[in-house]
Amino acid sequence: QQPVQSPQAVILREGEDAVINCSSSKALYSVHWYRQKHGEAPVFLMILLKGGEQKGHEKISASFNEKKQQSSLYLTASQLSYSGTYFCGTEGGGTSYGKLTFGQGTILTVHP
Amino acid sequence: DADVTQTPRNRITKTGKRIMLECSQTKGHDRMYWYRQDPGLGLRLIYYSFDVKDINKGEISDGYSVSRQAQAKFSLSLESAIPNQTALYFCATKGRGSSANDGYTFGSGTRLTVV
Repeated sequence: QQPVQSPQAVILREGEDAVINCSSSKALYSVHWYRQKHGEAPVFLMILLKGGEQKGHEKISASFNEKKQQSSLYLTASQLSYSGTYFCGTEGGGTSYGKLTFGQGTILTVHP
Repeated sequence: DADVTQTPRNRITKTGKRIMLECSQTKGHDRMYWYRQDPGLGLRLIYYSFDVKDINKGEISDGYSVSRQAQAKFSLSLESAIPNQTALYFCATKGRGSSANDGYTFGSGTRLTVV
């Protein structure tokens, strides 16, 4: 079952912050985050493994709460280059191990 | 050259025709995947392969088949194309393990239109 992302879309001005949430109904082994620019392939941002860790990538960081089966992506001091569609991909254990189920995406638009 | 190469980039085909989408990679990854992307639905898994002899169905495999010809090559076939298979198709690869940098590498995609 697909994880649910919220919000579906967000509009920012440069320098503003945003949070994108990803929620799963299944127990998770890992969560991936990707960004896709229009007409391009998704690009890997970061992976979070179960253990509740928080990761950072430039001004983009993420957290993973395995008990709540949720992950959040934090974008601080947004730049024009952050515009795109963000996807979370979740990996479960057992027969779900080794493959990602993606959310429907969150469209982020950053204006000058 | 790209790490993951998909051919063709664009294809228009007629209903009922058989079509093959190809994917090759130079990453040396064992795992390869085929996803389709439709507006508002995200990426949905069609088939995946952990090595040459290990091929598995994804959530939307009906109407598709795959072939893993070598570690580096993974092809997706539509046996008899239908219009609702019009979509953007992505091949992706991943190494084994779960290190901090161990995400999917996607190809540039194949835009398929079935008329």
